[in-house]
Amino acid sequence: ILNVEQSPQSLHVQEGDSTNFTCSFPSSNFYALHWYRWETAKSPEALFVMTLNGDEKKKGRISATLNTKEGYSYLYIKGSQPEDSATYLCALVSGFKTIFGAGTRLFVKA
Amino acid sequence: DTEVTQTPKHLVMGMTNKKSLKCEQHMGHRAMYWYKQKAKKPPELMFVYSYEKLSINESVPSRFSPECPNSSLLNLHLHALQPEDSALYLCASGQGMGGDEKLFFGSGTQLSVL
Repeated sequence: ILNVEQSPQSLHVQEGDSTNFTCSFPSSNFYALHWYRWETAKSPEALFVMTLNGDEKKKGRISATLNTKEGYSYLYIKGSQPEDSATYLCALVSGFKTIFGAGTRLFVKA
Repeated sequence: DTEVTQTPKHLVMGMTNKKSLKCEQHMGHRAMYWYKQKAKKPPELMFVYSYEKLSINESVPSRFSPECPNSSLLNLHLHALQPEDSALYLCASGQGMGGDEKLFFGSGTQLSVL
């Protein structure tokens, strides 16, 4: 059974704070790791697709790193803004399956 | 058009009802997915269609019956559901079943079974 763990479950930060959260996954049978951003009442939206050990991806103030050997990925948000408030999901792709973690719920207070 | 459209957005049904959830995409994607999500839990994979053929069924009870009438449409037929089936049902599509292809999601159908 593939198990994807995300921590923390939720996070409250002030506007301007930088923050990061973790996605852990079994390193065997790894094919790719996806990060999604899910705002309330909207659709999950892909942030990053990462496939190589040591990958680093960046999109504006958000970046992610990947370590496939030890089975983890970090998502960083620099200078959090209220509009960053959302649930951040990571998903492990193994074979033909995309398996999600439960997400980190981020609240950014103005 | 990068949208995946799901209807209805909300559905309340009794345990004896038959209803269907619908999902549509016009991005030419060949893989389509149904996920089920309960509050504070990960979205759970239910079914995967690839090129209109059912590729993965994650041991889903037969009261859930998927259908892919064509490459743009995915249905989930519901019959004799239980209250524990109440959840958010998400549809997604992708270029293929490869890991380097991101998924595009609909906004889901919130289902309540009474």
